[in-house]
Amino acid sequence: DQQVKQNSPSLSVQEGRISILNCDYTNSMFDYFLWYKKYPAEGPTFLISISSIKDKNEDGRFTVFLNKSAKHLSLHIVPSQPGDSAVYFCAATTSGTYKYIFGTGTRLKVLA
Amino acid sequence: ETGVTQTPRHLVMGMTNKKSLKCEQHLGHNAMYWYKQSAKKPLELMFVYSLEERVENNSVPSRFSPECPNSSHLFLHLHTLQPEDSALYLCASSRTQGWPDTQYFGPGTRLTVL
Repeated sequence: DQQVKQNSPSLSVQEGRISILNCDYTNSMFDYFLWYKKYPAEGPTFLISISSIKDKNEDGRFTVFLNKSAKHLSLHIVPSQPGDSAVYFCAATTSGTYKYIFGTGTRLKVLA
Repeated sequence: ETGVTQTPRHLVMGMTNKKSLKCEQHLGHNAMYWYKQSAKKPLELMFVYSLEERVENNSVPSRFSPECPNSSHLFLHLHTLQPEDSALYLCASSRTQGWPDTQYFGPGTRLTVL
């Protein structure tokens, strides 16, 4: 049973527009969420995180939104740039554990 | 050198071979992790070490044997693997095990078992 789901395997966006990547989870015990970006032949790179006590966290062009009632989080990239083209993974974990549960990833392609 | 490094980056081995994957972190962290990423599947946690002590073995077959000689180095010893073990093996480290703490990943070793 997949506790973290990224239902869109791929997404294409024009340069300069907003990219919205979505992630759903089923375990209400999760209280910390992260987004990672992965380029080919590289390991995942940490992008941004959010604790369940917040509903929004911003870092430059990247904003993560958390909707606990819907068990849904999203990553917004504004404006999107060609260098943002990568696979994006969301991950979730519970305080006091070391276990991250990852989604299967969404491949973002930003078109110039 | 900074961050998390892994060697080799690519490895092809037969089912009867013995090989080892190496991970080194230069971040001063005290927890290290092995993950497996198979095609079309999420990253799967295999092992966790905290302060050189194994704290998690996530139902991994015994043909995978981890070793953590110190907080900066982590090995994954491989023996009599199966073709279905072909995958990307990722090492990660974090400052502390327990409280949600960001894990930082190495580039991975692409393993092919013939």
